[in-house]
Amino acid sequence: DTEVTQTPKHLVMGMTNKKSLKCEQHMGHRAMYWYKQKAKKPPELMFVYSYEKLSINESVPSRFSPECPNSSLLNLHLHALQPEDSALYLCASSQVEEQFFGPGTRLTVL
Amino acid sequence: QKEVEQNSGPLSVPEGAIASLNCTYSDRGSQSFFWYRQYSGKSPELIMFIYSNGDKEDGRFTAQLNKASQYVSLLIRDSQPSDSATYLCAVIGNFGNEKLTFGTGTRLTIIP
Repeated sequence: DTEVTQTPKHLVMGMTNKKSLKCEQHMGHRAMYWYKQKAKKPPELMFVYSYEKLSINESVPSRFSPECPNSSLLNLHLHALQPEDSALYLCASSQVEEQFFGPGTRLTVL
Repeated sequence: QKEVEQNSGPLSVPEGAIASLNCTYSDRGSQSFFWYRQYSGKSPELIMFIYSNGDKEDGRFTAQLNKASQYVSLLIRDSQPSDSATYLCAVIGNFGNEKLTFGTGTRLTIIP
């Protein structure tokens, strides 16, 4: 089973809203990732958590705030986003190096 | 120079033929290589990974790695219309490094 789940599937929010994206995996993977993908572009790495600790932050603006409550869950808290933040947000997990992606959350910022 | 380069395509291949997708990378120390398939509006799906020089086969897919030439390819035999997608090449630099570097992807269209 290589399933990573993400909720919600779609999210529309205003620039003053606060929302959260959720990611879950039950494969016992040690690492979880957040990526952002714009149309016709490859995924861009945002954050990596390894053994529940933040190991990589790719200089992401502070309006994106990751949280790893436990080894199965990864959240991305959103606040004061801009319209250019509209994108597909992907979560992935890995045990070794092969990363498995969830279905993504399509975010629209109005 | 881009770290991972792919021809963006589109690459059009007749149904039943072999589709050949190519990728070059700049970091000579790269250890791990991945191919992801991404359908429009969907998330990337891992279809092949390869760590050693040579060929690795899985069903209709063959990944080929040549570290001396810094080149990795994906062959799809007996191409089907359902293979029409964007194929992303991805590389990890050092073993244990968590950062995947993606190419820009090649859009493949299989013509019935």
